[in-house]
Amino acid sequence: SQQGEEDPQALSIQEGENATMNCSYKTSINNLQWYRQNSGRGLVHLILIRSNEREKHSGRLRVTLDTSKKSSSLLITASRAADTASYFCATARNSGNTPLVFGKGTRLSVIA
Amino acid sequence: SQTIHQWPATLVQPVGSPLSLECTVEGTSNPNLYWYRQAAGRGLQLLFYSVGIGQISSEVPQNLSASRPQDRQFILSSKKLLLSDSGFYLCACDTGVEQYFGPGTRLTVT
Repeated sequence: SQQGEEDPQALSIQEGENATMNCSYKTSINNLQWYRQNSGRGLVHLILIRSNEREKHSGRLRVTLDTSKKSSSLLITASRAADTASYFCATARNSGNTPLVFGKGTRLSVIA
Repeated sequence: SQTIHQWPATLVQPVGSPLSLECTVEGTSNPNLYWYRQAAGRGLQLLFYSVGIGQISSEVPQNLSASRPQDRQFILSSKKLLLSDSGFYLCACDTGVEQYFGPGTRLTVT
């Protein structure tokens, strides 16, 4: 069953703009992860935020987590054409850490 | 860090033919292993996962099966492919939290 749902499904922005993607989930979690997938490739882990954290940064990525709303957001600042990819959130299906359940993803297009 | 190998990269098979996709992992031992399928433009559907040799949990009770004959080898099989089996198959592993993915196999059933 679907645990995470990303929003929007697709996003198109100009290079240099910020991109914000949202994720909602249904059950209690230990952590929430974001992954990136370039077209036709495997997924790459970007960042993990634990349930007791509210915000986390990694380079141009900023992730927030609101466990009361069961939602998370991924912000990519100063986007580049190379950021064009699909972005997925993932949470563990049960109270542990695995297996992960992925949302349908947000397709981000950054136009140079 | 872990490296995951998958082959073949692409495969075109007729309906009713058998399937065998292989995944091997380097750089870790006793990993959890996963097979996902991704339809075009869609999310990932978990098919099987394994926490150890010979231990397989099935999420999709259709015509696919999985086996783990060695600690770092995971095989996805079918005796007779259906058109609906077309998709992008991804193998992944983890040792607890974040997952590492292979490059995937693009399967087209004709």
